[in-house]
Amino acid sequence: DGGITQSPKYLFRKEGQNVTLSCEQNLNHDAMYWYRQDPGQGLRLIYYSQIVNDFQKGDIAEGYSVSREKKESFPLTVTSAQKNPTAFYLCASSISGDVTEKLFFGSGTQLSVL
Amino acid sequence: RKEVEQDPGPFNVPEGATVAFNCTYSNSASQSFFWYRQDCRKEPKLLMSVYSSGNEDGRFTAQLNRASQYISLLIRDSKLSDSATYLCVVNGGKGSARQLTFGSGTQLTVLP
Repeated sequence: DGGITQSPKYLFRKEGQNVTLSCEQNLNHDAMYWYRQDPGQGLRLIYYSQIVNDFQKGDIAEGYSVSREKKESFPLTVTSAQKNPTAFYLCASSISGDVTEKLFFGSGTQLSVL
Repeated sequence: RKEVEQDPGPFNVPEGATVAFNCTYSNSASQSFFWYRQDCRKEPKLLMSVYSSGNEDGRFTAQLNRASQYISLLIRDSKLSDSATYLCVVNGGKGSARQLTFGSGTQLTVLP
């Protein structure tokens, strides 16, 4: 079945450590996104990619980095510069990135700080 | 004023009840509107898009009021399985999905 796979489901980060969240899709979608969700808040866009080897910052990109070397993969690195990383992270994709398209989400990664 | 505002609830309703949620948006140039459903600690899933003329999908009806800048979701004959958080999603008036703004969600609990 086609879909988006995020891993791990739970991740713990120590102070000063970089961690990478995996996101893979087999939907043949061009556009991929990373969102952050905090309790009681809406999803906020971290990074966005509409094509391989190209990505753009979203509203809260500071302290995060991404790569898009393959169409299927869009990993997110939470760097030590992100001082408040505890949140639920959601990866999503859509066919081309047009605003009218449905977003398909992965099942999320809960990141916590030790 | 937030770009997209929702009443957080919680809305606790008995099974079989009709319940309605509103969502207001600030950008009058917004073109695309959606309702997503999110179960606790799970991913959001598209419930329905909202069209200018209003649209219905089974027990769910979505309406758009451009003059007052709000969208609504009506759920008839509530089921226990409707318990979830409902997210209002609005685009910022541009063509790219990166301009989507998510509301913080309205929590619904349907009671037996």
